[in-house]
Amino acid sequence: QSVLTQPPSASGTPGQRVTISCSGSSSNIGRSTVNWYQQLPGTAPKLLIYSNNQRPSGVPDRFSGSKSGTSASLAISGLQSEDEADYHCAAWDDSLSAYVFGTGTKVTVL
Amino acid sequence: QVQLQQRGAGLWKPSETLSLTCALYGGSFSGYWWTWIRQPPGKALEWIGEINHTGRTNYNRSLRSRASISLDRSKNQLSLNLNSVTAADTAFYYCARGSGSSLVSPLDYWGQGTLVTVSS
Repeated sequence: QSVLTQPPSASGTPGQRVTISCSGSSSNIGRSTVNWYQQLPGTAPKLLIYSNNQRPSGVPDRFSGSKSGTSASLAISGLQSEDEADYHCAAWDDSLSAYVFGTGTKVTVL
Repeated sequence: QVQLQQRGAGLWKPSETLSLTCALYGGSFSGYWWTWIRQPPGKALEWIGEINHTGRTNYNRSLRSRASISLDRSKNQLSLNLNSVTAADTAFYYCARGSGSSLVSPLDYWGQGTLVTVSS
């Protein structure tokens, strides 16, 4: 049902850089801003990045977002054990008239 | 500090109407949009719909015929009713706040979630 596609998993060792992709279309990412949410195990999602590349207050600058065309990316630099979580991209879809989420990516710190 | 508090897990039978509430603490409904999202265990998040402080609503087309979102200002509560539930409606249900419609704004505060199970 998700219209935004993410890799199911990503991993890295502490200190490494991990990148997560989010692929959409011209009806969503192509014309809307992208937001990213972090979901720690057993908890509710938390806003991590908004408007493609903006960090809410309190989010470490190790997290960064970017968007190009119909795709977006989330990068985690200097990976830490507490970054082990599920990450979801999201954007408004004009064709569906709905806020759509990505399939989700589980990040594992090795 | 804005807090959204949801009640504990619940069990519903197929064909029943699911009713959930989300209590708002430390803030006001005015000037914001209030959203319901669900997540079947181990699956992706799904936007159900939203309401603003004037009562204007937007719904996911796939759920529009069964879902109803409302605000109770006297109790400072956001509500979701979903009728004719089936096992496919089993999920964690979250309430959340946006500074504008989901069309333009992210969801910056979330409730802790409620597990809804639909089973006979």
